[in-house]
Amino acid sequence: QKEVEQDPGPLSVPEGAIVSLNCTYSNSAFQYFMWYRQYSRKGPELLMYTYSSGNKEDGRFTAQVDKSSKYISLFIRDSQPSDSATYLCAMISTGNQFYFGTGTSLTVIP
Amino acid sequence: DTAVSQTPKYLVTQMGNDKSIKCEQNLGHDTMYWYKQDSKKFLKIMFSYNNKELIINETVPNRFSPKSPDKAHLNLHINSLELGDSAVYFCASSMDPTTDTQYFGPGTRLTVL
Repeated sequence: QKEVEQDPGPLSVPEGAIVSLNCTYSNSAFQYFMWYRQYSRKGPELLMYTYSSGNKEDGRFTAQVDKSSKYISLFIRDSQPSDSATYLCAMISTGNQFYFGTGTSLTVIP
Repeated sequence: DTAVSQTPKYLVTQMGNDKSIKCEQNLGHDTMYWYKQDSKKFLKIMFSYNNKELIINETVPNRFSPKSPDKAHLNLHINSLELGDSAVYFCASSMDPTTDTQYFGPGTRLTVL
């Protein structure tokens, strides 16, 4: 079983839709949770970062962590064509090891 | 003003060759990383250096050897390249190896023929 599971998609939504991206994990030692956005042929860039259960909001993006269920989500409100990218979840364990999900490919259709 | 830069951007080579990828960061960060991203977009850490010292060394073949001449540079040397080494290799840096944001380079697309 992989440490981090993420549905690769692809996910296709109309402009303005609410997008929900999810990851599950198996290791309770994960402490820090991140979402990266990766445009085609570019390096990943950090979108959101959190270390506690609950919600964290930044503009149209909301990151949600449920440590009891070992489940994290990224919500994108009012999605735009410029949001079309691959979204990767990432986690850091207490041993300072980084683990990434495989990424979910998102296309927002104008 | 490129924060994390990698050269070359594309590398096409024959099996059995030895090649190097260079990475430089001008952010003043202490920690640098090498990641391999396969065709399915899976991003896997290979190495991490903090102040020129190796702190993460995941299970990768001995053919891969990182070299950090100073904390602004982390180069990746690959000996005896194999077909399975074809991937995109990303360099990244952060201020410290624990909780800080990692900044990624643009990637080097390696194709082994």
